[in-house]
Amino acid sequence: DVKVTQSSRYLVKRTGEKVFLECVQDMDHENMFWYRQDPGLGLRLIYFSYDVKMKEKGDIPEGYSVSREKKERFSLILESASTNQTSMYLCASSTQGVSSYNEQFFGPGTRLTVL
Amino acid sequence: AQKVTQAQTEISVVEKEDVTLDCVYETRDTTYYLFWYKQPPSGELVFLIRRNSFDEQNEISGRYSWNFQKSTSSFNFTITASQVVDSAVYFCAPPSGSARQLTFGSGTQLTVLP
Repeated sequence: DVKVTQSSRYLVKRTGEKVFLECVQDMDHENMFWYRQDPGLGLRLIYFSYDVKMKEKGDIPEGYSVSREKKERFSLILESASTNQTSMYLCASSTQGVSSYNEQFFGPGTRLTVL
Repeated sequence: AQKVTQAQTEISVVEKEDVTLDCVYETRDTTYYLFWYKQPPSGELVFLIRRNSFDEQNEISGRYSWNFQKSTSSFNFTITASQVVDSAVYFCAPPSGSARQLTFGSGTQLTVLP
């Protein structure tokens, strides 16, 4: 089975702190994604990566950066956390495959609270 | 621009009732895919189905069935004889972009009461 793991289920940080959210997948997937989920807004894409060291902005990249030094690991970085970044963060991965319309596999999520 | 709409924010049914969740996908693309995901209270999103715009036949998997009507841009999901374990948020999501990232609808919260 594909497994996507995230470093923490719950995280509490203070305004201005630098925050790292880690995601690891074990199925050699090329694509990895970071979403945030907020009530009434569904999931929104922050950043994605289709290869090592490659990254693309999603719909709401402001205030975030990412790093992909190894194929299996995709990190989301909040350079200076703010209260409006309190949210559920979900990581996902998918293979590029032949059709490229392959399902994404999600991690369990990290609920981040910024005080 | 594409737009996915799940007009039903919350639905409550009693166990064993059938329930249909609606999804409307507006796009100028002539070919496209749509995915359905389930998010139970534990929080982890679970893939349910992928359908493409060429195939308008209903698909049935156990108590789940999907009806895709390209003419109305609707991709509806029916649970037959619902169970309490079906309680979850259900998302309809078309993939797009270079990495086929998903654009999620706002989701429908389904509550199945015992």
